[in-house]
Amino acid sequence: DGGITQSPKYLFRKEGQNVTLSCEQNLNHDAMYWYRQDPGQGLRLIYYSQIVNDFQKGDIAEGYSVSREKKESFPLTVTSAQKNPTAFYLCASSSTGTASGYTFGSGTRLTVV
Amino acid sequence: AQSVTQLGSHVSVSEGALVLLRCNYSSSVPPYLFWYVQYPNQGLQLLLKYTSAATLVKGINGFEAEFKKSETSFHLTKPSAHMSDAAEYFCAVSDNGATNKLIFGTGTLLAVQP
Repeated sequence: DGGITQSPKYLFRKEGQNVTLSCEQNLNHDAMYWYRQDPGQGLRLIYYSQIVNDFQKGDIAEGYSVSREKKESFPLTVTSAQKNPTAFYLCASSSTGTASGYTFGSGTRLTVV
Repeated sequence: AQSVTQLGSHVSVSEGALVLLRCNYSSSVPPYLFWYVQYPNQGLQLLLKYTSAATLVKGINGFEAEFKKSETSFHLTKPSAHMSDAAEYFCAVSDNGATNKLIFGTGTLLAVQP
């Protein structure tokens, strides 16, 4: 079955560490997105990519980095510059055309210890 | 720029009662509108979408929404709430620009009381 897979489900980070969250899709979608979710704040866009080897900053890109070397993959690195990284991270993908909506992964919960 | 407002961050209903979750949008062009549902510690799942066809849209799990251009609204309803409907619901509008980006509301947490 086609879908979008995020791993790991839970991730713990020590202060000063970089961590990478994985997002893989087999839906042949061109566009991929990363969102951060905090209680009471809805979804905030971190980065998005419309095509391989290209990506754009979203509303809260500081302290994060991404790459899009393959159509299927859009990993997110949470760097030590992100001062408050504890959150639920969601990856999504969509095909071209604004009527398609997004398909979401099941999320990664990152906790700083 | 497009935006979405969800009125009521928390809504509580009794089992069997009508569910009404409110969503108003702002868009300079006819929008595409979506409702998503999120269960705890899971991703978002598409409930239904409006793409300029019928104004009354039926979705999964007995939910439906009506697009009202005059009121710039896209409220989500279900005639009879079930305990399994307890979740967070997000309304979203397409940005209608060069990207496929959706703009999400801040969500409404639905509680269903027995």
